[in-house]
Amino acid sequence: QKEVEQNSGPLSVPEGAIASLNCTYSDRGSQSFFWYRQYSGKSPELIMSIYSNGDKEDGRFTAQLNKASQYVSLLIRDSQPSDSATYLCAVYYSNSGYALNFGKGTSLLVTP
Amino acid sequence: GAGVSQSPSNKVTEKGKDVELRCDPISGHTALYWYRQRLGQGLEFLIYFQGNSAPDKSGLPSDRFSAERTGESVSTLTIQRTQQEDSAVYLCASSKTRGGGGTYNEQFFGPGTRLTVL
Repeated sequence: QKEVEQNSGPLSVPEGAIASLNCTYSDRGSQSFFWYRQYSGKSPELIMSIYSNGDKEDGRFTAQLNKASQYVSLLIRDSQPSDSATYLCAVYYSNSGYALNFGKGTSLLVTP
Repeated sequence: GAGVSQSPSNKVTEKGKDVELRCDPISGHTALYWYRQRLGQGLEFLIYFQGNSAPDKSGLPSDRFSAERTGESVSTLTIQRTQQEDSAVYLCASSKTRGGGGTYNEQFFGPGTRLTVL
């Protein structure tokens, strides 16, 4: 069983602060890691992908990957109320077919 | 370009009826996936298609569920003799190709079909 674990939250941060979302995974054979944002009643939207150890930045978003410790994180700088959503971590395991394994998501609330 | 499209957006049916859900992937994407998301729950993989290869049906919850795809085009997910536990949002995603590393397996989701079984 390939596990992807996330704290369900809610994580509450004030507007302008940095939001830090974490995800751990169970299998060292994982190759690709993704963060999706899902607004209430909407479908997941891909916001970041990361494949190598280290940091990857895209605008206000930074994804961090540490394969040795089996965790991946997402930092959102200058958080805005519009960032309030559920953030899903997804991991691709090369030995488990071709579907992504999703965590259950962390609910983020950015308060004005 | 156009994203993944799904129809209908909402479907209300009576227990025991059959339903058919449709997904049109992004043009040029060879891989197509179906997921289910029950209210307040995570995404549950159902089935995967890659070109003309045999589909990966390992996630289908019962034999009441089936799906078809012709080549690299539209896919339909059929649920026979629907049950109340089938109520969920059914999500379709597509990617450039299957598996592997890099951006080729980034999956992009359609808006989903919300199925309600009364």
